[in-house]
Amino acid sequence: QKEVEQNSGPLSVPEGAIASLNCTYSDRGSQSFFWYRQYSGKSPELIMSIYSNGDKEDGRFTAQLNKASQYVSLLIRDSQPSDSATYLCAVNPSDTGRRALTFGSGTRLQVQP
Amino acid sequence: NAGVTQTPKFQVLKTGQSMTLQCAQDMNHNSMYWYRQDPGMGLRLIYYSASEGTTDKGEVPNGYNVSRLNKREFSLRLESAAPSQTSVYFCASRRDIYTGELFFGEGSRLTVL
Repeated sequence: QKEVEQNSGPLSVPEGAIASLNCTYSDRGSQSFFWYRQYSGKSPELIMSIYSNGDKEDGRFTAQLNKASQYVSLLIRDSQPSDSATYLCAVNPSDTGRRALTFGSGTRLQVQP
Repeated sequence: NAGVTQTPKFQVLKTGQSMTLQCAQDMNHNSMYWYRQDPGMGLRLIYYSASEGTTDKGEVPNGYNVSRLNKREFSLRLESAAPSQTSVYFCASRRDIYTGELFFGEGSRLTVL
């Protein structure tokens, strides 16, 4: 089992729809979670971080965390073609001997005009 | 505000050649990282430096060496490049080794022939 799993996609949604991106992780002790957006040929950029169970909203983006189910998701409302990118889920391991974020392989999102 | 700066952005090597990727950050971060990104495999940690004067291996360290030159700079060296090292390399930094998000450089695209 991979430590951080994401569906590779592509996830295709029409413009204006809600895009739902999902991520599961194996380290039950993890406490902090991040969503990065990566455009083709560019570096990852942070769009959301979440540390507590529940929802966290920032503009059109909502991150959802359920530690009991080891599941974190990202919702993008009113999706725009400019949201077309690969979204990477990252988890901070609980093991203090492992001192770096662990990334999923990413989900490619395509927003159709 | 430059953030994390990597050089070079593109490089083509022949098998067996050596080269060094340079990375510098101006955010006064303690921790720095080198990741490689390959299609379908996400970001994989090569080496990291928790703080000035320390370096540790990550998930895929074979064939690489690193130097934390000072608090700002963290270099990655390929002593004898192999085609399997063809990849996009990202340098990243964060405030400290346990918490916070990663900030990425623009990436270095390396091709080994």
